[in-house]
Amino acid sequence: NAGVTQTPKFQVLKTGQSMTLQCAQDMNHEYMSWYRQDPGMGLRLIHYSVGAGITDQGEVPNGYNVSRSTTEDFPLRLLSAAPSQTSVYFCASSYSTGGEQYFGPGTRLTVT
Amino acid sequence: ILNVEQSPQSLHVQEGDSTNFTCSFPSSNFYALHWYRWETAKSPEALFVMTLNGDEKKKGRISATLNTKEGYSYLYIKGSQPEDSATYLCAEGVYNQGGKLIFGQGTELSVKP
Repeated sequence: NAGVTQTPKFQVLKTGQSMTLQCAQDMNHEYMSWYRQDPGMGLRLIHYSVGAGITDQGEVPNGYNVSRSTTEDFPLRLLSAAPSQTSVYFCASSYSTGGEQYFGPGTRLTVT
Repeated sequence: ILNVEQSPQSLHVQEGDSTNFTCSFPSSNFYALHWYRWETAKSPEALFVMTLNGDEKKKGRISATLNTKEGYSYLYIKGSQPEDSATYLCAEGVYNQGGKLIFGQGTELSVKP
C-alpha cells in the first residue's frame, strides 16, 4: 500500500493564480481531511470529508474548495492564491471518525 | 478551556532524563484524544488514540494518560533518547462534528546526548 500520497511536493504560485493540490489514499478510508501548518500555529483543519459526496468546513476554510467524488481522492483547490496561503499542506485519512489519522508527505506552497 | 493547549512549548533534556508534557482540552463535547509524533521533514505519526476517562496507553518508553472529566492528558517519556527529539502533538476529536480533530500547537522536545 502506498498509504496517503500528495502531489506536488513543492509549488510556487503568483498571487491570483489557481491550482489543485492532489491527495489520494489506497486504504479504503472513509474519513479524509486537509490541514495547513504554519510556524507557531500547529495544524489547522481546512476541510474534511466523512465519505464520498460529503464535505464540511474546518477551522480555516476561506479561499479553499474541496470535493469528494470517490473514496480514494480528496483534492484541495485554491481559487485565487494569496500570500497568506503560503504554508505546508497535509492531507490525512482515517478508517473511522475519531480514529488514528494517517498523514501524507505534505505539499510546500509558496505564493508570491 | 476553549482550545486545545499544550505545555510546555519546548523542552530541552539530557539523554536518560524522563519527561512529560501536558495537553488540556475542552471536555464538554469530548470524543477522542490523539497523540502524534512529528519529526522534522516528516509527517506526523500516531502514537495513541484514547477515548475513555482513565485510559492509559503505553508504547515502549512512551506512555499517556487521559482525564476526560477535567480535560487533560499527559504524555510521559521514560529515559529520553536523542531519537525521541520531535514535536509531540495532541488533538481532540469532538463529538457530533464528523470526528474532526482540533490540534494543539505541540511541544518540541530536544534530547541532547
